[in-house]
Amino acid sequence: QQQVKQSPQSLIVQKGGISIINCAYENTAFDYFPWYQQFPGKGPALLIAIRPDVSEKKEGRFTISFNKSAKQFSLHIMDSQPGDSATYFCAARLDGTASKLTFGTGTRLQVTL
Amino acid sequence: DVKVTQSSRYLVKRTGEKVFLECVQDMDHENMFWYRQDPGLGLRLIYFSYDVKMKEKGDIPEGYSVSREKKERFSLILESASTNQTSMYLCASRGRGANTDTQYFGPGTRLTVL
Repeated sequence: QQQVKQSPQSLIVQKGGISIINCAYENTAFDYFPWYQQFPGKGPALLIAIRPDVSEKKEGRFTISFNKSAKQFSLHIMDSQPGDSATYFCAARLDGTASKLTFGTGTRLQVTL
Repeated sequence: DVKVTQSSRYLVKRTGEKVFLECVQDMDHENMFWYRQDPGLGLRLIYFSYDVKMKEKGDIPEGYSVSREKKERFSLILESASTNQTSMYLCASRGRGANTDTQYFGPGTRLTVL
């Protein structure tokens, strides 16, 4: 049962462009929505996260947009760079479960020159 | 600096072998997790532990067991490895309490079962 649906599976963006990755969830009890970034040969690392009481969070070139009523959230990477080429995972945490995260299926981003 | 280490980066085992994957964290974290990562399926939780000797099943525990005898160490055990357990295995840890939402991952162990 896929509780967090992520799209697209892969994405190719030109340098300087905007990368957008979308996630949707069903369970309204999720209370924390992080994005993880994974480079080849490395484990995932937290990139940015949001709680459902805000609609947007920005950190540098990375922005999470959150739509509580639609149960959707997305990652926007502005001015995408080749160094952003990685796999991105959205996730959602169920409150009160020792911080278990449910991950999306991942998006492989390639930023071309 | 936060560090999660895994005992092997690459491992090749035969069908039916007992396999141990070890994970050690140096952050005094209470919570530890084992995931497997497969293309198109993302990260799926196998087991997690919220304290020494405590464990709970994740979403795909079948064919696996775990052990947590010390706070810093969390082991994943494949009692009788099968080819469908060929995968990337990731360990993570997380502290407890306010402002400790981040899970810190190790580099992963790529296990091939022949």
